[in-house]
Amino acid sequence: DGGITQSPKYLFRKEGQNVTLSCEQNLNHDAMYWYRQDPGQGLRLIYYSQIVNDFQKGDIAEGYSVSREKKESFPLTVTSAQKNPTAFYLCASSPWGAGELFFGEGSRLTVL
Amino acid sequence: GQNIDQPTEMTATEGAIVQINCTYQTSGFNGLFWYQQHAGEAPTFLSYNVLDGLEEKGRFSSFLSRSKGYSYLLLKELQMKDSASYLCAAPLGATNKLIFGTGTLLAVQP
Repeated sequence: DGGITQSPKYLFRKEGQNVTLSCEQNLNHDAMYWYRQDPGQGLRLIYYSQIVNDFQKGDIAEGYSVSREKKESFPLTVTSAQKNPTAFYLCASSPWGAGELFFGEGSRLTVL
Repeated sequence: GQNIDQPTEMTATEGAIVQINCTYQTSGFNGLFWYQQHAGEAPTFLSYNVLDGLEEKGRFSSFLSRSKGYSYLLLKELQMKDSASYLCAAPLGATNKLIFGTGTLLAVQP
């Protein structure tokens, strides 16, 4: 079945450590996105990519990094520079120009 | 700039009708989306409006007025499973960068 797979679903990290969240899609979508959601709040855009080997910063990119080496994959690294990384991270994709986002199930990161 | 506003919380009774409002300010309008998100889960697509008027889809309908920068989501015959957050979202300008409101948490009571 086509869809978006995020892993891991739950992740614990010590302060000062980098962590990478995986996002893979087999929908053949050009655009991919990473959002962050904090309790009781909406989604805030971290990074997005419209084509392979190209990506743009969203509204809260500081302390995060991404790569888009393959169309299917858009991993997000949460670096030690991110001051408050505990959050629910959502990856999404969309066909170019269509607008509708298809979301993965999310990764919940907790910094201990 | 771009701004999307919606109420933080709403409460309604099972079987009733509820309207969730959303106002937006965007630089270049390219449609408005509604998503549903249950606690701890990913959002799921509900509707997309690009022209003025009401779009009906079963128990859910979405309305858009571009001149007023206003949309609403109408939920009829409310069920307990409709308890969720409802997110209003709009693309930024001509990009596919989707900006979300903070969401409206709807509690359906017996």
